[in-house]
Amino acid sequence: AQSVTQLDSQVPVFEEAPVELRCNYSSSVSVYLFWYVQYPNQGLQLLLKYLSGSTLVESINGFEAEFNKSQTSFHLRKPSVHISDTAEYFCAVTSTGFQKLVFGTGTRLLVSP
Amino acid sequence: DGGITQSPKYLFRKEGQNVTLSCEQNLNHDAMYWYRQDPGQGLRLIYYSQIVNDFQKGDIAEGYSVSREKKESFPLTVTSAQKNPTAFYLCASSGQTGAISYNEQFFGPGTRLTVL
Repeated sequence: AQSVTQLDSQVPVFEEAPVELRCNYSSSVSVYLFWYVQYPNQGLQLLLKYLSGSTLVESINGFEAEFNKSQTSFHLRKPSVHISDTAEYFCAVTSTGFQKLVFGTGTRLLVSP
Repeated sequence: DGGITQSPKYLFRKEGQNVTLSCEQNLNHDAMYWYRQDPGQGLRLIYYSQIVNDFQKGDIAEGYSVSREKKESFPLTVTSAQKNPTAFYLCASSGQTGAISYNEQFFGPGTRLTVL
């Protein structure tokens, strides 16, 4: 069975500081990995995904994540956060032909001035 | 404008009543999903459907029922058998998953159900 662990339930950070949100997964087969963002009382939006190829993937708003197979991790990073990045972030995993996304419990990013 | 709509946004129900949450998509996606979100627990899969007139139970199907009579619609009924129904419910859809590909899941805006 697949599983995802997001170790930090909440990460407080000051504006313009760097941030890393941690995600570790467990799977016996090849995986696809995702980061979703959720703003209050809204649905989830895909932030970035790893399907194959380069292990470093980037989003249009400055986030990046690196797939590390040996450490079974897919940590999300941003070198300088904005107030508008305040949201909840979910890591998710699935695999080829597998219909279901398995989500972590989420990390709430709180950016303060 | 393609997307997924869920209605209503907020729903209140008395204990013992069944209630149906609507999910419609105009993305021409084959697969649709229902998730439940509780604080600190992430998203858990209730039911999913890969094709019209077919659906499978997810991880927490007890107390819920679904139908898939049309490609664009996947309503979820929360029955009185669901012991703790107060939660945020999210619907999603995706293109058909193939053997060597994966299609992104797109999410609706959600319905917040409160049992009084």
